Amino acid sequence: DAGVTQSPTHLIKTRGQQVTLRCSPKSGHDTVSWYQQALGQGPQFIFQYYEEEERQRGNFPDRFSGHQFPNYSSELNVNALLLGDSALYLCASRFSGVVEQFFGPGTRLTVL
Amino acid sequence: AQSVAQPEDQVNVAEGNPLTVKCTYSVSGNPYLFWYVQYPNRGLQFLLKYITGDNLVKGSYGFEAEFNKSQTSFHLKKPSALVSDSALYFCAVSAAEDGNNRLAFGKGNQVVVIP
Repeated sequence: DAGVTQSPTHLIKTRGQQVTLRCSPKSGHDTVSWYQQALGQGPQFIFQYYEEEERQRGNFPDRFSGHQFPNYSSELNVNALLLGDSALYLCASRFSGVVEQFFGPGTRLTVL
Repeated sequence: AQSVAQPEDQVNVAEGNPLTVKCTYSVSGNPYLFWYVQYPNRGLQFLLKYITGDNLVKGSYGFEAEFNKSQTSFHLKKPSALVSDSALYFCAVSAAEDGNNRLAFGKGNQVVVIP
């Protein structure tokens, strides 16, 4: 059983560009959350998707947007990239009836 | 809003000695508490959780944690540390009343087990 997978592993972009990160949840999971982990910090909640809708959002600007597909996979889009967006982006999935979330390996985004 | 404090940046312990990583939390309502471990260039790996019931919870790889409501703490413990336990440990909390289970993490503790 594959766990949570994310692509790409690493990504380098320049300021002002746009980026799309992808996540496939663990089999049987229907809820996907995204977190940003800056260097030396704990993960910060960006938003959560369930039934293809954004259920809750953290303190992130509208430049951060997402989508969930009918197969429960998800995308995170970031527009107008800033240097401060450089971070490890983590996807977490869970089944809506349980509380524990399982994390993917992350996508390391570097903005130059 | 919920938050977590992990007061120590780094915890050094000799192999075979007991390991403790401290965590205190703040949440409106009842807490759900979690510990995750992160190895270099990897995602977070779930260790254990407290939802309700017994204050002492046991998790993976010999780790356990004790929930103390009066002290709002959830310290992670292992009776005998291994060199392979060297990693970054995160405590996280969500509000039980929050059906979305949004996690708030501490800044993490680097654990170094000395052979």
